[in-house]
Amino acid sequence: DVKVTQSSRYLVKRTGEKVFLECVQDMDHENMFWYRQDPGLGLRLIYFSYDVKMKEKGDIPEGYSVSREKKERFSLILESASTNQTSMYLCASSRTGQGVSEQYFGPGTRLTVT
Amino acid sequence: RKEVEQDPGPFNVPEGATVAFNCTYSNSASQSFFWYRQDCRKEPKLLMSVYSSGNEDGRFTAQLNRASQYISLLIRDSKLSDSATYLCVVNFGYALNFGKGTSLLVTP
Repeated sequence: DVKVTQSSRYLVKRTGEKVFLECVQDMDHENMFWYRQDPGLGLRLIYFSYDVKMKEKGDIPEGYSVSREKKERFSLILESASTNQTSMYLCASSRTGQGVSEQYFGPGTRLTVT
Repeated sequence: RKEVEQDPGPFNVPEGATVAFNCTYSNSASQSFFWYRQDCRKEPKLLMSVYSSGNEDGRFTAQLNRASQYISLLIRDSKLSDSATYLCVVNFGYALNFGKGTSLLVTP
């Protein structure tokens, strides 16, 4: 079974702090994704990566950056956390193949910025 | 960014009922289609892929109409455990575009 793990289930940070969210997958997937999910807004793509050291902006990259130094790990960085970044953050991975394959999600990190 | 539209519901149905969800998408170039299920405060999980000819997995049937850019999910003989939010998902280039979901509540 694919396993995607995220470093924390719950996180509370203060405004202005630098925040690191870590995601690791164990299925040798090429593609990794970061989403945030808010009530009424659904899942919104922040960044994705289709290879080590490669990254692409999603729909809402402002205020975020990412790092992918190893294939299995994809980190989301909030350079200076703000209260409007309070959200559920979900990491996902998928393989590259014929067509676009399904994504497997981690359990999510519920981040509160005070 | 191309959109995926779903009726948010909620759909309240009794156990044993048949219920259908619909979804429309705007990107005619999309080639990959999925239904995901998300339980309250949990991550989305793949329910089934949707193929051009339609496909069935037990009580669940998915249909795709490319001409109308329309996807459906039919659930027969609903169970209490089917209560969840169902997300329609369509590719947009290499990424997936998720609908906001349709909420289903199956009652005794």
